Formats: sequence, structure tokens, C-alpha cells
Amino acid sequence: EAQVTQNPRYLITVTGKKLTVTCSQNMNHEYMSWYRQDPGLGLRQIYYSMNVEVTDKGDVPEGYKVSRKEKRNFPLILESPSPNQTSLYFCASSSGWAGERHTQYFGPGTRLTVL
Amino acid sequence: QKEVEQNSGPLSVPEGAIASLNCTYSDRGSQSFFWYRQYSGKSPELIMSIYSNGDKEDGRFTAQLNKASQYVSLLIRDSQPSDSATYLCAAGPNSYDKVIFGPGTSLSVIP
Repeated sequence: EAQVTQNPRYLITVTGKKLTVTCSQNMNHEYMSWYRQDPGLGLRQIYYSMNVEVTDKGDVPEGYKVSRKEKRNFPLILESPSPNQTSLYFCASSSGWAGERHTQYFGPGTRLTVL
Repeated sequence: QKEVEQNSGPLSVPEGAIASLNCTYSDRGSQSFFWYRQYSGKSPELIMSIYSNGDKEDGRFTAQLNKASQYVSLLIRDSQPSDSATYLCAAGPNSYDKVIFGPGTSLSVIP
């Protein structure tokens, strides 16, 4: 089954404790993104990757890091989480970018709470 | 700042009626437009994409695009309670860039 998986699905942590949210897709997609979703603000892109070892900042990259060492995996790293990073996070993948008429497939989401 | 705007709602319609959802975008370079449906606590799911001016129909859904007015809409005919969700409008460029999402419109279909 074609899918995007994320782990963990739920996480409660404390300020400053480094964490990683994993994302994996089995569709051999080149393009992957991380979004955060907050009430009234919609989905905002954090980082995106066009292929292995190619990443770029989205709209809200501060406080986040990513890496793309393998095509299928795109982990999101919060090195020193703060309460304003409490949010619902989605990973997404597609076989191209919007201009090539490829749609994004979203993972199930990770609900993160930083105390 | 590139923006996509939507009425936040909630929009309430009776079962069987037509629900009309609207979206405007600021970037005239946008070439690809998407409507996603998101149930509470779930991930967004693509329901329609549109790239050319005019209407595109898929079952009970019709997307309408007017690039001159920078306006995209989604019509849902014969609305069902299962259509109750938040609908996200998104606009994307025709270049090596990213899709911008609107804040979403909450739709409630009343039985």
C-alpha cells in the first residue's frame, strides 16, 4: 500500500529536550515536505526536499532541522524544542512539485506538545 | 508575501444543498490549484486539482478557476453529512517552489 508514515503520532516533551520525528514514504517520491498546522493559520511549510541531499527552507524554518540522506526518509529534528513549537505536524511527499501537476500525499500527522 | 485566503466559516448548509467554498490568492504566478478535505484530527486529502480557467467537474465536486480575478472556488452538490470537514485551498507555482495553503473553511452539513 502506497503511504507516508510518521512516528511518533503523539509526543509530549519538555522545553529543550531534543527530539526527532521520522517520516518515510514507499512511493519512490523525490519531493518531500514538512508542514505544521495551527488553528486559524492553516498548513505552513517548514522545510522541503527535492531529492537526496537537497533541502530548502519553507515559510517557518526557525527552530527546525531536516536531513535527506535516503530518498524514502525525511526526518524533522527539533534540537531545542520550545512551547511555541506545540503543533500538529504533517509530512508529505509527491513525485514532483506543483508545477508538474503532481499532488502531495500526506502522512497521518504527529501531535507535538512542548511543556 | 504570497497568500491564499479563505473564509474561515463555519459554513452550514442543509443536507442536499449546494455548498460553495471560495478562495483567493495573491501570487499571479500561481499555476496549480488544489482543494483538500481534512476531517478533524486527520491528514489532508486531495479532492480536486485545477490548472486552467473554467470549470472542472468530478462527481459531486466542481472546481472553478478565474486567473484574471485570482479566484478559485469549490462547489459541492447534494451535500452530505459526510462532507462535513475543513476544506483547504492551495495554490502552487509553475517553477521550483512550493504550494501555499489557505487557512481552511469549516463546512457543516446539517441532516
